[in-house]
Amino acid sequence: KQEVTQIPAALSVPEGENLVLNCSFTDSAIYNLQWFRQDPGKGLTSLLLIQSSQREQTSGRLNASLDKSSGRSTLYIAASQPGDSATYLCAVRPGGGADGLTFGKGTHLIIQP
Amino acid sequence: DAGVIQSPRHEVTEMGQEVTLRCKPISGHNSLFWYRQTMMRGLELLIYFNNNVPIDDSGMPEDRFSAKMPNASFSTLKIQPSEPRDSAVYFCASKRTSAYTDTQYFGPGTRLTVL
Repeated sequence: KQEVTQIPAALSVPEGENLVLNCSFTDSAIYNLQWFRQDPGKGLTSLLLIQSSQREQTSGRLNASLDKSSGRSTLYIAASQPGDSATYLCAVRPGGGADGLTFGKGTHLIIQP
Repeated sequence: DAGVIQSPRHEVTEMGQEVTLRCKPISGHNSLFWYRQTMMRGLELLIYFNNNVPIDDSGMPEDRFSAKMPNASFSTLKIQPSEPRDSAVYFCASKRTSAYTDTQYFGPGTRLTVL
């Protein structure tokens, strides 16, 4: 059974810092990996999706990398802003045609003004 | 375009009562997912449908839970009878099956409290 772990569980940093969120998964037979953002009391918003054949994806100040063989992904946030404060969730879609996502428990990020 | 719509947003009920959660996916999306989020277990997949057909319900906790998708624009998740341990936020998500995108779009969730 796929297990997804996110480290750290919580992180608080001053505004302007670059930071890295980590995600690891136990079964490397994945179809893709996605990073989501969740704001309090709201649903999830997709940030980046990396196909299993890709190494990284970038969107603005966000960069996600994938090392499928080692079961790891990182989300890099450059020049953090208070508006980046949220919970960041990593999710993997399995290979073999299955479609549901397996999520990590998230990293709760606070950017101090 | 409207996003995924869920109702109600909040539900408080007493143990033993029937609860029905509703979801309207984004128009044109042909896959629909139900997830449950708790502090202890995080987000877990309960069931998903492709073209209104249930594909994988292995995440449904027990027979008290059932889900239907009578048409492409509506799905329900029913709990009967409800128990306090069912208290959680229930999310519905949808996506369009495509070679170019695989992003799931989530609704705002229904916060269920069973007393």
